[in-house]
Amino acid sequence: SQTIHQWPATLVQPVGSPLSLECTVEGTSNPNLYWYRQAAGRGLQLLFYSVGIGQISSEVPQNLSASRPQDRQFILSSKKLLLSDSGFYLCAWSGGRTPFFGSGTQLSVL
Amino acid sequence: DQQVKQNSPSLSVQEGRISILNCDYTNSMFDYFLWYKKYPAEGPTFLISISSIKDKNEDGRFTVFLNKSAKHLSLHIVPSQPGDSAVYFCAASYTGGGNKLTFGTGTQLKVEL
Repeated sequence: SQTIHQWPATLVQPVGSPLSLECTVEGTSNPNLYWYRQAAGRGLQLLFYSVGIGQISSEVPQNLSASRPQDRQFILSSKKLLLSDSGFYLCAWSGGRTPFFGSGTQLSVL
Repeated sequence: DQQVKQNSPSLSVQEGRISILNCDYTNSMFDYFLWYKKYPAEGPTFLISISSIKDKNEDGRFTVFLNKSAKHLSLHIVPSQPGDSAVYFCAASYTGGGNKLTFGTGTQLKVEL
């Protein structure tokens, strides 16, 4: 069966520091991969999606970037965090029409 | 532009009764609709989906109804249980869109004893 791993679960970072969140998927090949963010009290917003290694599409302009160095690995990064980057970050994968989500990372930028 | 709307931020239902969560959409290209359940500090869990070629899909206590002409879908939970208390998100995608989801803002369901 397919599983998705996302870490860390929580992260507290100072403004201006770098960020790296990692997500890996097991039990499937060539999945579509996604990064979503849920800001406090709001719905989930798609940040990036990828249909293959090295293929990244950005949905909203922001201070973040994404990379897919391997088929089942998706990384969310920032060189310098802003206060507005705080939120709950979710990685997801899909092999068909239904995306499945990881457990999320709560990022607090202070 | 909110393409998927959940106009009720919260809903309270008694245990054993029916819970009805509603969702409206504006984008006619959407042809696949999903419901997710989410607990605080956890990722959303997929519940049920429906394709636009259907008007109803049922899975155990959960049934989703789709009214394409009204651009409206609803999730029925019967009977409601205390463990159903969570935030429910409606989401939609379209063919050729890479299965990218557009989410509503969620409805907090509370099932009371």
